[in-house]
Amino acid sequence: EPEVTQTPSHQVTQMGQEVILRCVPISNHLYFYWYRQILGQKVEFLVSFYNNEISEKSEIFDDQFSVERPDGSNFTLKIRSTKLEDSAMYFCASSENGRDTDTQYFGPGTRLTVL
Amino acid sequence: KQEVTQIPAALSVPEGENLVLNCSFTDSAIYNLQWFRQDPGKGLTSLLLIQSSQREQTSGRLNASLDKSSGRSTLYIAASQPGDSATYLCAVSPTMYSGGGADGLTFGKGTHLIIQP
Repeated sequence: EPEVTQTPSHQVTQMGQEVILRCVPISNHLYFYWYRQILGQKVEFLVSFYNNEISEKSEIFDDQFSVERPDGSNFTLKIRSTKLEDSAMYFCASSENGRDTDTQYFGPGTRLTVL
Repeated sequence: KQEVTQIPAALSVPEGENLVLNCSFTDSAIYNLQWFRQDPGKGLTSLLLIQSSQREQTSGRLNASLDKSSGRSTLYIAASQPGDSATYLCAVSPTMYSGGGADGLTFGKGTHLIIQP
């Protein structure tokens, strides 16, 4: 069964450094998403992406964040200057067509630790 | 702003029992509602999706209902098994699809379920 994959599974970085989290969505899907989950808290929406541009973003997704689809398979989240509070599990998701029957499929996550 | 609440926060029951997990949301203008399962340190696995026009969906031992007007959904698990132990998350797509965008899900905090062998 097709699945969303994410790399790395765990990333440790120093405060102020840039990190890039990578995702490979399911191949025939058109909509891509990033979510984060701070330990012990709710899963929170960050951004959605369709047709090579951002469709929607939350108030969390400020100027330190950016997303890109650099080729036909990868979808990346860049955090420009990491802060301690960026430590979280980051999930990528994809969905096929954006209709009301459309399930979002999640990857296994990247655990980001900012020291 | 859409808020999703799940009750109870934690539940521990003996194997074999039927159980109900509850989800409520504040804005009834949803596109669909999804139930997910999350195992410790893992990603989210989609269990069921209910469109806003539907009342329920079934998959195996799972049945999810939706009462959009009252802002409630329930997940019924029949004949629970130890392998059902996980955190169950409810999420809503809070806006109507207009043909141009992709909507982020709003999640509840989850119900942590333990099935005792």
